Amino acid sequence: AQSVTQLDSQVPVFEEAPVELRCNYSSSVSVYLFWYVQYPNQGLQLLLKYLSGSTLVKGINGFEAEFNKSQTSFHLRKPSVHISDTAEYFCAVSVSKAAGNKLTFGGGTRVLVKP
Amino acid sequence: GAVVSQHPSWVICKSGTSVKIECRSLDFQATTMFWYRQFPKQSLMLMATSNEGSKATYEQGVEKDKFLINHASLTLSTLTVTSAHPEDSSFYICSASGTSLNTGELFFGEGSRLTVL
Repeated sequence: AQSVTQLDSQVPVFEEAPVELRCNYSSSVSVYLFWYVQYPNQGLQLLLKYLSGSTLVKGINGFEAEFNKSQTSFHLRKPSVHISDTAEYFCAVSVSKAAGNKLTFGGGTRVLVKP
Repeated sequence: GAVVSQHPSWVICKSGTSVKIECRSLDFQATTMFWYRQFPKQSLMLMATSNEGSKATYEQGVEKDKFLINHASLTLSTLTVTSAHPEDSSFYICSASGTSLNTGELFFGEGSRLTVL
């Protein structure tokens, strides 16, 4: 079984400052990794994903993440946040690209961007 | 990208009544749909996995007679909360995947907030 740990439940950050959201996973097999964002009272939107290839993945809204296999991490970063980045962020892992495969989610990190 | 739509977005019902939530894949065939429940300020809890044309697989601790899931077509899955009680109040989210979208990514609906009075 896989598990995902998001080390920070809340991250306050000032507007235009950088932010890093930490995600560590455990799995006995190779994994595929995802970051999703959830705005209040909405579903989840994919920010980025790592399936294979370059370990540095760029996503939407200026976010990027780096897959580190040796540290089993997939931390999410943005160099300069906006007020609109205030949201809940979820790291997730799956062991297959096949349809019907479950995602295992971390507990989420709430980002609060302050002016 | 693929679009998944949920309806209704908000629903308020009286205790003891049943509520149906629909999840539709609008531009792809969803061979598998997942139903999640999310409590305030918490992560998503997988309730069940439904495959088109077969019975849903429920996660441990989820009452299948309470949360009826039907996946009768490749574009529609429904979750019916039967004899709802206030403790069933929650945010319910569906997600879908399809064989034509072989990326491991799930596409999520907008969520449905259920309030049971």
